[in-house]
Amino acid sequence: GAVVSQHPSWVICKSGTSVKIECRSLDFQATTMFWYRQFPKQSLMLMATSNEGSKATYEQGVEKDKFLINHASLTLSTLTVTSAHPEDSSFYICSASQGMGQPQHFGDGTRLSIL
Amino acid sequence: GENVEQHPSTLSVQEGDSAVIKCTYSDSASNYFPWYKQELGKRPQLIIDIRSNVGEKKDQRIAVTLNKTAKHFSLHITETQPEDSAVYFCAALGGGTYKYIFGTGTRLKVLA
Repeated sequence: GAVVSQHPSWVICKSGTSVKIECRSLDFQATTMFWYRQFPKQSLMLMATSNEGSKATYEQGVEKDKFLINHASLTLSTLTVTSAHPEDSSFYICSASQGMGQPQHFGDGTRLSIL
Repeated sequence: GENVEQHPSTLSVQEGDSAVIKCTYSDSASNYFPWYKQELGKRPQLIIDIRSNVGEKKDQRIAVTLNKTAKHFSLHITETQPEDSAVYFCAALGGGTYKYIFGTGTRLKVLA
């Protein structure tokens, strides 16, 4: 149980392209979903928290116009990296939780490479 | 805000030995402490967790202990195997919040 699917797993694209990443909870309803960014050999850095049907809450320093998050249903959240540049290259991971105080379950991550 | 410190950053042990990773948190309202294992290029996987009303929890070769007074919790892996090699992250969840605060990670190498 508690499976989270994330797609795509790998994206390589040109600078200026917008990239959408999907995160789905397959066997549970996710009240809250989270988007993290992870640089090599570093910890997970929370970018934003999203609750179904409401606007995402972004962490300090994360540009909300750059990283668009939509949480349209209890099983789907999307992260769109708009006009991506090489410095946006990273490993992006989503997680989903059934509620406050409940464990977060992670997707497989998306490796984004911007040329 | 909450801060979580994790030590050591790297740990090498011989196969069969025990490994201990320690984390310290700052927010006394934190009430949930999960541990995740992350292999290279893969998702973090929840391996064990503990809530603040419990002092110790064990699952086969893995155990977690929590000292609320000192605000620290530890992961113990016994009889380590090469497949235990990975990066381990602790996290703390504050009361009344959804957000985890992660530790900086420990790279564990189990030498065969």
